[in-house]
Amino acid sequence: GAVVSQHPSWVICKSGTSVKIECRSLDFQATTMFWYRQFPKQSLMLMATSNEGSKATYEQGVEKDKFLINHASLTLSTLTVTSAHPEDSSFYICGAGGSVDNEQFFGPGTRLTVL
Amino acid sequence: QKEVEQNSGPLSVPEGAIASLNCTYSDRVSQSFFWYRQYSGKSPELIMSIYSNGDKEDGRFTAQLNKASQYVSLLIRDSQPSDSATYLCALNTGGFKTIFGAGTRLFVKA
Repeated sequence: GAVVSQHPSWVICKSGTSVKIECRSLDFQATTMFWYRQFPKQSLMLMATSNEGSKATYEQGVEKDKFLINHASLTLSTLTVTSAHPEDSSFYICGAGGSVDNEQFFGPGTRLTVL
Repeated sequence: QKEVEQNSGPLSVPEGAIASLNCTYSDRVSQSFFWYRQYSGKSPELIMSIYSNGDKEDGRFTAQLNKASQYVSLLIRDSQPSDSATYLCALNTGGFKTIFGAGTRLFVKA
């Protein structure tokens, strides 16, 4: 399957700071990337859909000014959590659309802890 | 009504048995269906995809799709303790956007 990387794999930050998470498709071009959040023992929650070169589409209830998404190239999307607070602590996972039959491949995830 | 429904489990099976995971969906126009496996603390991993009615086998895994009944299942033969994970059913609603079920937790007892 296609390979998607995320960086960093984990991050601890102070409340009020901003954190940037990178998602890269390593061996394919991803026109569309997705950002998910997952709290313990819960399912994936789609936050936004990101298309290369255009503005991201956010799901209902997700603050676009707090979760900034940039998809500047076909292999890189970034999620910036601005002014992070403890309630933003979660497991953030990116997904990239593959080239075969609408399959989606996931990065390894980034565990964010806000103190 | 949720778009993708799964029994949350846990489903517990003995080692070597067949584990049967089920999923129903409400969107009749969906054409692509997927099963993902997620280990605790890790991101989901695609294990099976199925697009047409019937069975699709890949090693110990068999996916079954019945579009008329809006039902998709995953069978795991010769279950191993390493198969213990949460299994997510998913369907594609257009482009690459995927809707996920809440997942079924599977425990395989040694």
